[in-house]
Amino acid sequence: NAGVTQTPKFQVLKTGQSMTLQCAQDMNHNSMYWYRQDPGMGLRLIYYSASEGTTDKGEVPNGYNVSRLNKREFSLRLESAAPSQTSVYFCASRIQGPEQYFGPGTRLTVT
Amino acid sequence: EDQVTQSPEALRLQEGESSSLNCSYTVSGLRGLFWYRQDPGKGPEFLFTLYSAGEEKEKERLKATLTKKESFLHITAPKPEDSATYLCAVQAGDSGGYQKVTFGTGTKLQVIP
Repeated sequence: NAGVTQTPKFQVLKTGQSMTLQCAQDMNHNSMYWYRQDPGMGLRLIYYSASEGTTDKGEVPNGYNVSRLNKREFSLRLESAAPSQTSVYFCASRIQGPEQYFGPGTRLTVT
Repeated sequence: EDQVTQSPEALRLQEGESSSLNCSYTVSGLRGLFWYRQDPGKGPEFLFTLYSAGEEKEKERLKATLTKKESFLHITAPKPEDSATYLCAVQAGDSGGYQKVTFGTGTKLQVIP
């Protein structure tokens, strides 16, 4: 079991460029999440998907879009990157109870 | 709005020196309080869930406790491998399922041999 995997691990973008962060889990979990983690801010929820075929906004959705491609995969897209989106992005999944399983993160820098 | 405040921001302990980390919270009906451990360059790893005041959970050298206003993570005789950032998070009772969890900013613990 690989758990939750994220690609890429590191990325540098220029302002205005677009990219998609990929997340996959092999634990047959129903719910999946995208968070961003910034110094002094804690983890903040961007979007989540309670089940295959559904997505909902979290605390900081502006500038992002998501796709729940199937039960395993949940992608996060930045259409026009801005320096304020420089952060570490974590994907997580959950089956039913409160425990969330996190991926290793993607470190994104927007210049 | 749910709020989670963790203190101290950083803590440096000698190996074997016991201490406690604090997590104070403000929510409209606590559904659950969670502790996670995060190692540098990695994602958080789940440690405990506490549901009601008076509840305690233990795992190796860690013990989490809960009151109506705060939670403590007690570390007994810590070892260098306990060095990490410890995150506290809460789930409010009016949020559906466990979909929206509010995280604190964490306490960075360093245990010196």
